[in-house]
Amino acid sequence: ETGVTQSPTHLIKTRGQQVTLRCSSQSGHNTVSWYQQALGQGPQFIFQYYREEENGRGNFPPRFSGLQFPNYSSELNVNALELDDSALYLCASSLNRGINGYTFGSGTRLTVV
Amino acid sequence: RKEVEQDPGPFNVPEGATVAFNCTYSNSASQSFFWYRQDCRKEPKLLMSVYSSGNEDGRFTAQLNRASQYISLLIRDSKLSDSATYLCVVPASGNTPLVFGKGTRLSVIA
Repeated sequence: ETGVTQSPTHLIKTRGQQVTLRCSSQSGHNTVSWYQQALGQGPQFIFQYYREEENGRGNFPPRFSGLQFPNYSSELNVNALELDDSALYLCASSLNRGINGYTFGSGTRLTVV
Repeated sequence: RKEVEQDPGPFNVPEGATVAFNCTYSNSASQSFFWYRQDCRKEPKLLMSVYSSGNEDGRFTAQLNRASQYISLLIRDSKLSDSATYLCVVPASGNTPLVFGKGTRLSVIA
């Protein structure tokens, strides 16, 4: 059984650029959630995908978008990057919207300069 | 009241000490609660789930007080390896899966 894998592990982008982060869910999981964790803060919920449909969204602007593929892997896209987007982006997968808890990937550390 | 509130610490304790962290939450309808552990620059990992009044797992005890909307985590006989940030996590209402507190930093000192 493979865990949650995220790519890339680290990324540096300049302000205004666009970025795509990827997440492969744990085998058997059909739900993927994305979180943003700024330094010294707890993770903040961005959105969740369940069976390829968005199933909840946190307080993030529309330039944060995503999708989930038939194999339940997922992408997070951020357009028009701002300096404040610098953070650790965490993906968590679960079965049926977290019925048995969530497993986190090791995250992608994004730095916007 | 904030959705999930924790004392940020840091808590600096000697090896062998007993330390307790507190967490308050605002959503009275929440049924399940979690404590996650996060090491520096790593992902959060589930430490304990709390579904009723509380549960114990070795040196760790989690307690829930629904009337006061309060969760605690007690660590007995602290080890150096317990040094980490401890995140209190509460499922929110609607479609937000999990709401995290800011975390409490623990440093266990030799």
